[in-house]
Amino acid sequence: QQQVKQSPQSLIVQKGGIPIINCAYENTAFDYFPWYQQFPGKGPALLIAIRPDVSEKKEGRFTISFNKSAKQFSLHIMDSQPGDSATYFCAASSLTWSGAGSYQLTFGKGTKLSVIP
Amino acid sequence: ETGVTQSPTHLIKTRGQQVTLRCSSQSGHNTVSWYQQALGQGPQFIFQYYREEENGRGNFPPRFSGLQFPNYSSELNVNALELDDSALYLCASSSGQGVGYTFGSGTRLTVV
Repeated sequence: QQQVKQSPQSLIVQKGGIPIINCAYENTAFDYFPWYQQFPGKGPALLIAIRPDVSEKKEGRFTISFNKSAKQFSLHIMDSQPGDSATYFCAASSLTWSGAGSYQLTFGKGTKLSVIP
Repeated sequence: ETGVTQSPTHLIKTRGQQVTLRCSSQSGHNTVSWYQQALGQGPQFIFQYYREEENGRGNFPPRFSGLQFPNYSSELNVNALELDDSALYLCASSSGQGVGYTFGSGTRLTVV
């Protein structure tokens, strides 16, 4: 059962464009939503994360929008650059559940972003 | 401050063999998790260790096992390797509060 659905699978934008990646979750216990960036041959690196008490968070050129009622969240990359070309993963976990496996991350399947010069 | 380091970086094993992967957690981190990332997929949670005890496991069979040592480093052991075990194995450490997981670069395991 896939608990975090991510779309699109791949995305091509021109330099300066604003790619948007969407995720939807099912488990209402999730209360922490990070985005990871992964380059070939490397592990995922945390980009930005949001808690459900806010609807938007910005860090540099990266913005997360969060819709708690729809159980959806999205990543926007402003003024995208060729160096942003990578695979992006959304993830979700629960920070309030302290049982076994607490804080485990459930990942989406990833979006391969290509930014064309 | 060092990040998460994993060894080896690449490994080729034959079906039925056993393998041990190693991870050194980031300084100050006491929780280690292991993830399996198949080609073109997102990482899948295998298990988590806190204070040398396994405190959570994903949907993986018992032939996947692990250890955490007093210095918070960790091992992932896989017995009776199957072709489908071919994947990138990622180790992630955190301070135990659930935020700010730091991932290593992974070990690429190929089972032939």
